[in-house]
Amino acid sequence: DAGVIQSPRHEVTEMGQEVTLRCKPISGHNSLFWYRQTMMRGLELLIYFNNNVPIDDSGMPEDRFSAKMPNASFSTLKIQPSEPRDSAVYFCASSRRDRRTGELFFGEGSRLTVL
Amino acid sequence: AQKVTQAQTEISVVEKEDVTLDCVYETRDTTYYLFWYKQPPSGELVFLIRRNSFDEQNEISGRYSWNFQKSTSSFNFTITASQVVDSAVYFCALSGGKTSYDKVIFGPGTSLSVIP
Repeated sequence: DAGVIQSPRHEVTEMGQEVTLRCKPISGHNSLFWYRQTMMRGLELLIYFNNNVPIDDSGMPEDRFSAKMPNASFSTLKIQPSEPRDSAVYFCASSRRDRRTGELFFGEGSRLTVL
Repeated sequence: AQKVTQAQTEISVVEKEDVTLDCVYETRDTTYYLFWYKQPPSGELVFLIRRNSFDEQNEISGRYSWNFQKSTSSFNFTITASQVVDSAVYFCALSGGKTSYDKVIFGPGTSLSVIP
């Protein structure tokens, strides 16, 4: 079975540009999470969805960040406009909510560099 | 509020030594879950174990063992006879609460280096 698939794996962009990160969760998983990892702040939960509905977006840094999950097999995290401090590895993870907090399955991450 | 503390930022051991990674958590929930994840140098995050708050039995899986003590709010992880392949960053994580049991909060991680 395919794991969580994220794209792009690496993105280098200039400040002010729009960045879109994509995630395909594991089929059958109904919870999806976006995390950001930096040396300074570690692994931060940005937002998570249950059954395509955003449940908690309190970790989203500011209005420049937005996330959508139009269907059970796709989610996007958008940053507009991007800033150098957004440079990080962004992980998408999915799980089966009906297993009552099962383990998270992580994608390989998207490494974002904003110049 | 929920919080996970991993006081050891970096640990170095010589191969075949035993090593314990500490994890202390804070939560007001009576039902919660604790996790350990491994992040090797390649960067992916790998699930190791999940524990619920009602199960305080220690667990052993090969060279890995976990000690869960509610009285001290700790969930420590021991690697016996460490190997170079154990070199990674290890994260302890917590989730719980009636409305937020999906929300998994990670500790800052402990970077383990196993020296040949």
